[in-house]
Amino acid sequence: QELLVESGGGLVKPGGSLRLSCAASGFSFSEYYMAWLRQAPGKGLEWLSDISSASTYTNFAHSILGRSTISRDDAEKSLYLQMNSLRVEDTAVYYCAREGVAGRFDVWGPGVLVTVSS
Amino acid sequence: DIQMTQSPFSLSASVGDTVTISCRTSQSVSNYLNWYQQKPGKAPNLLISAASSLQSGVPSRFIGSGSGTDFSLTISSLQPEDFATYYCQQSFNVPFTFGGGTKIEIK
Repeated sequence: QELLVESGGGLVKPGGSLRLSCAASGFSFSEYYMAWLRQAPGKGLEWLSDISSASTYTNFAHSILGRSTISRDDAEKSLYLQMNSLRVEDTAVYYCAREGVAGRFDVWGPGVLVTVSS
Repeated sequence: DIQMTQSPFSLSASVGDTVTISCRTSQSVSNYLNWYQQKPGKAPNLLISAASSLQSGVPSRFIGSGSGTDFSLTISSLQPEDFATYYCQQSFNVPFTFGGGTKIEIK
């Protein structure tokens, strides 16, 4: 069974930092692009970042460019998102997803809530 | 960035109805268009990729069509489990972008 599970969410003050993790199982993690997406309360989906196999390429949405880092550990089958300078508008459920052929997100984690508030 | 315009924002329908959701992109994405279903409190689930390719396990009442800039998702004979929010997503280039969503509610 192909599974993704996020962790590391919680309450953070504006200006603070957070590192989200995503543990994968049930598929050959190292072969896939992996991505982070988020959904603010009551809002739609927003793609944030992705990373290629072997960490060769990374891409970021404008909203987090310059204050975030995506990384992966293929030996541990884990994906990470380091977010700095957090803002109130970063409050959302953050999802880890497998990026399959042609940019489709075909496996998702259940999501983790990040709340940025003083 | 490619802008996504999804309509309608919401619709009310009855079990057994056929409904169609539209998704328009600001530039051609060829067939790099995917559809997701999301139920409250759950992660999205991929229904259709490459505009019209049904994912394994997804009922055949879900039909995707279109290419270029105009796409649609048709759900024939709505079932109780189909009441949810649907999103289109372009994967032609980064940043990948999503439509605003269409919520299908029970009439």
